[in-house]
Amino acid sequence: AQSVTQPDIHITVSEGASLELRCNYSYGATPYLFWYVQSPGQGLQLLLKYFSGDTLVQGIKGFEAEFKRSQSSFNLRKPSVHWSDAAEYFCAVGSSGGSNYKLTFGKGTLLTVNP
Amino acid sequence: GAVVSQHPSWVICKSGTSVKIECRSLDFQATTMFWYRQFPKQSLMLMATSNEGSKATYEQGVEKDKFLINHASLTLSTLTVTSAHPEDSSFYICSAPRSGEQYFGPGTRLTVT
Repeated sequence: AQSVTQPDIHITVSEGASLELRCNYSYGATPYLFWYVQSPGQGLQLLLKYFSGDTLVQGIKGFEAEFKRSQSSFNLRKPSVHWSDAAEYFCAVGSSGGSNYKLTFGKGTLLTVNP
Repeated sequence: GAVVSQHPSWVICKSGTSVKIECRSLDFQATTMFWYRQFPKQSLMLMATSNEGSKATYEQGVEKDKFLINHASLTLSTLTVTSAHPEDSSFYICSAPRSGEQYFGPGTRLTVT
């Protein structure tokens, strides 16, 4: 069965500082990997995804993530955090087999941004 | 981009009553939709896969008689929480796939008193 681990429950950074959110996955085949952001009371917004190809993927809002098969990781990074980035971040793995894949989510990392 | 809506966004019901939540794909058709449940400060847990024109597929541990799913058209799936109890209070989120990507609804906050 697939699973996702986000080791950090809560991270606090200062505005303008760099950010890295960790994600480790467990999946038997080549995974589909995703990062979503959820603001309070809101639905999930896709930041970026990895299906295949270049292991460094660029997303929206200046985020990027790197797929490292040897480490089973898909960490999310941003070079300079903005106050509006404060939110809950979820890493997810999707089963392969067409577009109707199921997603398994990590427990999420809450990001607080200090002014 | 693709848009998925949910209605209502927030509902309060009394214990023992039933409540229906709608999930609509507004600008695309979805033969499959997914229903998730999210407890406060926790992750999303997949409850079931809704299939247009056939029975839903429930994840292990989810009571299919309590969480009734109907996918009556290519743009609408409904989740009915029957005989709701306070422990059913949660945030319910649906998603629909399009072109290899899942699009999520804004969620429905259910409070059972």
